[in-house]
Amino acid sequence: EAGVAQSPRYKIIEKRQSVAFWCNPISGHATLYWYQQILGQGPKLLIQFQNNGVVDDSQLPKDRFSAERLKGVDSTLKIQPAKLEDSAVYLCASSREAGTTGELFFGEGSRLTVL
Amino acid sequence: ILNVEQSPQSLHVQEGDSTNFTCSFPSSNFYALHWYRWETAKSPEALFVMTLNGDEKKKGRISATLNTKEGYSYLYIKGSQPEDSATYLCAFLDNNDMRFGAGTRLTVKP
Repeated sequence: EAGVAQSPRYKIIEKRQSVAFWCNPISGHATLYWYQQILGQGPKLLIQFQNNGVVDDSQLPKDRFSAERLKGVDSTLKIQPAKLEDSAVYLCASSREAGTTGELFFGEGSRLTVL
Repeated sequence: ILNVEQSPQSLHVQEGDSTNFTCSFPSSNFYALHWYRWETAKSPEALFVMTLNGDEKKKGRISATLNTKEGYSYLYIKGSQPEDSATYLCAFLDNNDMRFGAGTRLTVKP
């Protein structure tokens, strides 16, 4: 089966600019996650979707970050305006169901550098 | 322990050496412990999902053990190969969310 697709792989922007990342999960996976991984730290959950509904966005900086999964399939994560501390790898993952012990399937990530 | 902690942060071994690393996690509200391998420029891949105290899992030269009462898991690699070079992440799942450790970066020298 095809894996989780993410784009772009790399993005360099200046602070205060905006950026958007796209994710297409594995077909049939109901749950989609966006993680932020800052260098030297573990991935941190930004938002979790179950189909097209938000399950958890408690750690999403809502003043600048937004995410949507309108049709319950692919998803977009947007940052506007970007800050220097947003430099990170943004990982998208999917799983068959939420709240289970099933493994997560990750994309290759989108590496953002904010100058 | 409130967070997931992994040690060591990095490890350099020679080809053929056996090695192990530790993941420590909160011992309450345990649902599962995941291990992932993340090679440079690739996506993290699941190695093991462990749910029961005393679980031992094995995949080829890699194995893992789990102690939920004391809150730790060990990952072992027997006879390390250069292709084992990667960051190994553990993730703790409780009834609220999944928290990742910062990972152990393994480098295996030929």
